Amino acid sequence: DADVTQTPRNRITKTGKRIMLECSQTKGHDRMYWYRQDPGLGLRLIYYSFDVKDINKGEISDGYSVSRQAQAKFSLSLESAIPNQTALYFCAPTADYEQYFGPGTRLTVT
Amino acid sequence: GNSVTQMEGPVTLSEEAFLTINCTYTATGYPSLFWYVQYPGEGLQLLLKATKADDKGSNKGFEATYRKETTSFHLEKGSVQVSDSAVYFCALTSGGGSYIPTFGRGTSLIVHP
Repeated sequence: DADVTQTPRNRITKTGKRIMLECSQTKGHDRMYWYRQDPGLGLRLIYYSFDVKDINKGEISDGYSVSRQAQAKFSLSLESAIPNQTALYFCAPTADYEQYFGPGTRLTVT
Repeated sequence: GNSVTQMEGPVTLSEEAFLTINCTYTATGYPSLFWYVQYPGEGLQLLLKATKADDKGSNKGFEATYRKETTSFHLEKGSVQVSDSAVYFCALTSGGGSYIPTFGRGTSLIVHP
């Protein structure tokens, strides 16, 4: 969906490095979510935010942090990357109960 | 807690075949139900939804009916195309102000010419 942008689209990084994944939206939705997708495991929720001042942990928040810089921007950081954080990461602005997924960031940690 | 179970894939069909992907759920309250589709190299996108019992969601030839008595939301299409090859996710969100979706693990569909 062109209204949701994720950068970078692909990234290879080394163990121990800090990395930030960025998400921005033009849809004006207050709620934003970060997921990771692993083969066979489906989607798992990392963090979610209902507005700029409301940030909540999801089921797998350990090793991650987030920042909601504005209604339109929601960034995910890996403080010290490890190989089992290799995955596909999606941002999803949400209106009511419908989610609008970005194109994803494929992250590889070596 | 809430859960969604969908049939494991891959589902492999020939073009113009009939498709069914099963989805059952457990949830508190009165959930809204969704099917999302993920094409290769892309994010998920909403395919269809239903917000109350007996509602039928439909889009692009796909249909699913919200069956409260069997807690199911099976996805169907009468005649699949090669371009329907993708991963399909069933999902729900409970009502009552809970905005945490629950997703199934996804079912891969492969359609051969």
